[in-house]
Amino acid sequence: EVQLVESGGDLAQAGGSLRLSCVASGFPFSIHDMNWVRQAPGRGLEWVSYISVTGSSIYYADSVRGRFTVSRDNDKNSLYLQINSLRAEDTATYYCARDNLSWDVWGKGTTVTVSS
Amino acid sequence: QSVLTQPPSASGTPGQRITMSCAGSNSNIGSNTVSWYLQLPGTAPKLLMYNDHQRPSGVPDRFSGSRSGTSASLAISGLQSEDEADYYCATWDDSLKGYVFGAGTTVTVL
Repeated sequence: EVQLVESGGDLAQAGGSLRLSCVASGFPFSIHDMNWVRQAPGRGLEWVSYISVTGSSIYYADSVRGRFTVSRDNDKNSLYLQINSLRAEDTATYYCARDNLSWDVWGKGTTVTVSS
Repeated sequence: QSVLTQPPSASGTPGQRITMSCAGSNSNIGSNTVSWYLQLPGTAPKLLMYNDHQRPSGVPDRFSGSRSGTSASLAISGLQSEDEADYYCATWDDSLKGYVFGAGTTVTVL
């Protein structure tokens, strides 16, 4: 079964850090670009970051650039999102999504809650 | 404020046809294909349409998509109660060098 499973979401203090993970299974992870998308409570979807298959191309939304770092380990079929300098507005469910000219596979999400 | 503009709501009765729009600009919809996502409450989004008008396997042909100029649209024919959900459009923006979403349209079946 094609699957993405996120983890690492937690309750964290403003100014703190978290590392989110996304493990892929059921498909060749190393040949797919990947993305992170988030959704704040009661709000719409917001694209966060993109990483190409080798990690040579990386893009970020303006709202997270400089604080978030996306990376991947193809040997471990894993995608990561390092979140630093947490802000209240980072409170959201974070989804990883496979990039296949659209986001055709999504995980169930992991929840980050930032307290001040 | 989302880069892509979607109406906040759309509604119809069972069996009816409804459409929803997604308006952008030359740097996004005007230059790149659009995909659509459906999200039921409390669940992850699901791909509904890609490359403007192509349906992934499993998506019924009641759903159709199109793109013209700097706008795209999604139509649902033969509206059913299970179509009640939030619908989001998305595409790449050449100026922002990132993906952009619309704020979503909530579909209600009356």
